[in-house]
Amino acid sequence: QVQLQESGPGLVKPSQTLSLTCTVSGGSISSGGYYWSWIRQHPGKGLEWIGYIYYSGSTYYNPSLKSRVTISVDTSKNQFSLKLSSVTAADTAVYYCARQSQGSGIHMGWFDPWGQGTLVTVSS
Amino acid sequence: SYELTQPPSVSVSPGQTARITCSGDALPKQYAYWYQQKPGQAPVLVIYKDSERPSGIPERFSGSSSGTTVTLTISGVQAEDEADYYCQSADSSGTFVVFGGGTKLTVL
Repeated sequence: QVQLQESGPGLVKPSQTLSLTCTVSGGSISSGGYYWSWIRQHPGKGLEWIGYIYYSGSTYYNPSLKSRVTISVDTSKNQFSLKLSSVTAADTAVYYCARQSQGSGIHMGWFDPWGQGTLVTVSS
Repeated sequence: SYELTQPPSVSVSPGQTARITCSGDALPKQYAYWYQQKPGQAPVLVIYKDSERPSGIPERFSGSSSGTTVTLTISGVQAEDEADYYCQSADSSGTFVVFGGGTKLTVL
């Protein structure tokens, strides 16, 4: 079955860019039919959707983060990546990657499966 | 911005039925999805499209929808069901994904 694994630095300095990669195994990103998403969870808090990418490279971001977010895909490595610029302490969170089903019409799909998550701390 | 509202906590005794609600103005137009998250673990999908159950999820988990409220029902609650539960949906035009604030289910 499809599995996802996040990787990247666990500590980022304020004002710098957070960079994470999600490696997909057990299935091909290029096969289509799904979006590939990033979601974060602030410590002790709820979930916040960051955005998704399709294997073709088309992206869609949470409007509240859009100005700082870039999601890219490398189909040759079966990976997709997140960059979040100008980070502050408020960006400290566990970052998850997940496969998102394609909704129909106005429906956004669901997330399954998820990676195990990686904690990123923003601190000098 | 659009929000989904969940009760912060629900408590039930083993064997009883737990009901966790999620309210939002767009829910009559949008599907809802439910996730279970245990401490230190990633969320797991337990209900999709309001009431569909993924393979591998016990039959005691069910979902329903009525107007602006969707409900996750866990029948015959077991100790292992103690977790945080999150609903997920979208705004009325499908512009962005939104999660509820989460409900901590305590099995007494």
